[in-house]
Amino acid sequence: DAGVIQSPRHEVTEMGQEVTLRCKPISGHNSLFWYRQTMMRGLELLIYFNNNVPIDDSGMPEDRFSAKMPNASFSTLKIQPSEPRDSAVYFCASSSGANVLTFGAGSRLTVL
Amino acid sequence: AQSVSQHNHHVILSEAASLELGCNYSYGGTVNLFWYVQYPGQHLQLLLKYFSGDPLVKGIKGFEAEFIKSKFSFNLRKPSVQWSDTAEYFCAVQSGGSYIPTFGRGTSLIVHP
Repeated sequence: DAGVIQSPRHEVTEMGQEVTLRCKPISGHNSLFWYRQTMMRGLELLIYFNNNVPIDDSGMPEDRFSAKMPNASFSTLKIQPSEPRDSAVYFCASSSGANVLTFGAGSRLTVL
Repeated sequence: AQSVSQHNHHVILSEAASLELGCNYSYGGTVNLFWYVQYPGQHLQLLLKYFSGDPLVKGIKGFEAEFIKSKFSFNLRKPSVQWSDTAEYFCAVQSGGSYIPTFGRGTSLIVHP
């Protein structure tokens, strides 16, 4: 298994632009998580999907952020419009039930 | 709400020194406990986990952790660190049947050769 695959690995964009981050979880995993990592706030949960359904999105900062999981093998995190304070590393992780999370390599976002 | 505290934010050691990183959590019920490690420029990966049974858990690369229920703690230890242990270490807790782990803020470990 190739693990959790995230794209892009690096994204540099200007304030106001739309950003879409993508994640392919491990086949067979029914839980998917999006986390954001910053120096100031550490690792924050943004949203959790179970069986493709959003279960907990209380960590999504505001309406500019949205996430979808149209099927078991794909999820997106969208920021529109982006702001400099959104600059962070965004991690996707998947798991099977209450178990160990397998993280992707992360998407480093820089908003100028 | 569940919280996880890692009291040491930055630790600097010399090679061969012993390591202990603290982790305390607030939930009083059944918990699953994890330590993840993030090497420079890499993603988080599992170091060790505790679900039940022997409270002393052995992980990869000589790491171990001890679950002390009465103290709500799950401290990470290694008797002799190496330069290659330089990384960020995260404690995480799943509680109350939730699939969502809560992570601590992380501890940055620097090991000087």
